[in-house]
Amino acid sequence: AQRVTQPEKLLSVFKGAPVELKCNYSYSGSPELFWYVQYSRQRLQLLLRHISRESIKGFTADLNKGETSFHLKKPFAQEEDSAMYYCALRGFQKLVFGTGTRLLVSP
Amino acid sequence: NAGVTQTPKFQVLKTGQSMTLQCAQDMNHEYMSWYRQDPGMGLRLIHYSVGAGITDQGEVPNGYNVSRSTTEDFPLRLLSAAPSQTSVYFCASGRGTSGTYEQYFGPGTRLTVT
Repeated sequence: AQRVTQPEKLLSVFKGAPVELKCNYSYSGSPELFWYVQYSRQRLQLLLRHISRESIKGFTADLNKGETSFHLKKPFAQEEDSAMYYCALRGFQKLVFGTGTRLLVSP
Repeated sequence: NAGVTQTPKFQVLKTGQSMTLQCAQDMNHEYMSWYRQDPGMGLRLIHYSVGAGITDQGEVPNGYNVSRSTTEDFPLRLLSAAPSQTSVYFCASGRGTSGTYEQYFGPGTRLTVT
C-alpha cells in the first residue's frame, strides 16, 4: 500500500531558525517523492521533486530510502515561508498526498 | 494561459441536491484529477482521467461521478449531496497520461452541504 505520513499538523518557528518538515512514506517500489506548497490565498503548487535534487527558495529535501523519509529542510526560515506543505508520493497514475503540515514563521 | 479554472468558487447545497463542479484547463494536458481537501485528512483523490473518454476512481469516489468528453474539461458531479461532502474541491491537470510528475492545481471550490 502507498502511504505518506506527515506527523506534524503545525510547525511554529521564529524567523531565522532552521526548519525541518517531516515526511515518511510506505511504498513497495522505487519511490518518487514531491513537496507541494500552498501559500495563503494561492493555489497549491509544486515546490520540489526528489529526482531533480534541486534547492527551491532555500528548501532542500533528500530521499532516504533506508529510513523511508523525504524531509523538507531550510536552514533559515523566512516569514514568507509560512504556508501549508504537502508531501506526495507518485503511484501508478496518481499522487498520494500526506495530511499536510502548516508552517508558521513568526518575526 | 488561464491554466486550470474552476467554477463556482463557493457553493451551498441542501442535502439531497445535485450539482456539477466545473473544471477546465487550457494547457492541453492529458491527465486531469479531482481532490477533496479536509482538515486533518490532506488531499484525497476522488477521480482521475488519463485522456478524453477515460476515467478511473481514486481513493474516495463514492457519491461522485465524472466524465471526460474533451481534453479541456473534467466536470465533477455530486449526485445527491450529503453533509459529509462539505469540503474544498481541487481540480488539477498534468502532462502525459501519467500526469503525476507535476500537477497544476485550480483555485478550488468551497462546498458546504447543509
